[in-house]
Amino acid sequence: AQSVAQPEDQVNVAEGNPLTVKCTYSVSGNPYLFWYVQYPNRGLQFLLKYITGDNLVKGSYGFEAEFNKSQTSFHLKKPSALVSDSALYFCAVSWGGGGNKLTFGTGTQLKVEL
Amino acid sequence: DTGVSQNPRHKITKRGQNVTFRCDPISEHNRLYWYRQTLGQGPEFLTYFQNEAQLEKSRLLSDRFSAERPKGSFSTLEIQRTEQGDSAMYLCASGGRDANYGYTFGSGTRLTVV
Repeated sequence: AQSVAQPEDQVNVAEGNPLTVKCTYSVSGNPYLFWYVQYPNRGLQFLLKYITGDNLVKGSYGFEAEFNKSQTSFHLKKPSALVSDSALYFCAVSWGGGGNKLTFGTGTQLKVEL
Repeated sequence: DTGVSQNPRHKITKRGQNVTFRCDPISEHNRLYWYRQTLGQGPEFLTYFQNEAQLEKSRLLSDRFSAERPKGSFSTLEIQRTEQGDSAMYLCASGGRDANYGYTFGSGTRLTVV
């Protein structure tokens, strides 16, 4: 079975400050890890993924994530937050088999304030 | 490439009625997924198709739910005898051969059962 934990329901950060949204995972085999963002009443928008290779993955809108195998983590980061980054962020994992279905975390609401 | 299209965007129905949602995937994608998202939760896998074949169904998909993908193009998700607990956002996603690399979500259909 595969699972994802996002320990923080909400993260608050001031604009211009760095942000981190945490994610840990559990999966049998090699993980395929994803971050998606959701704006109100909208579907999920892909941000970035880790499949293999460099542990630091760069994605859309200046976001990046670091894969840490020993800590089974895949935290989302951005060096300088924008108010427009305020949204709901989901971490997801698959193991590449089983039709590549994704298991999502419960989401973290990011609020960036002026 | 017009993305993944879902219709309708919103549906309000009375308990006990049947509803049907439609998903038009990205044209060259052979995989199609349905997820359900309730308030405060991450999306949960319901079912997926590879071309016209429905390859996996979640235990969440009770016998009141049926999904089809005739001719491997668009897909429909029908809910019979709706219940208030069916109120949720229903998300469709499509992916290509390398679905390991993630897939594209539609904007979803929000169902409210009153």
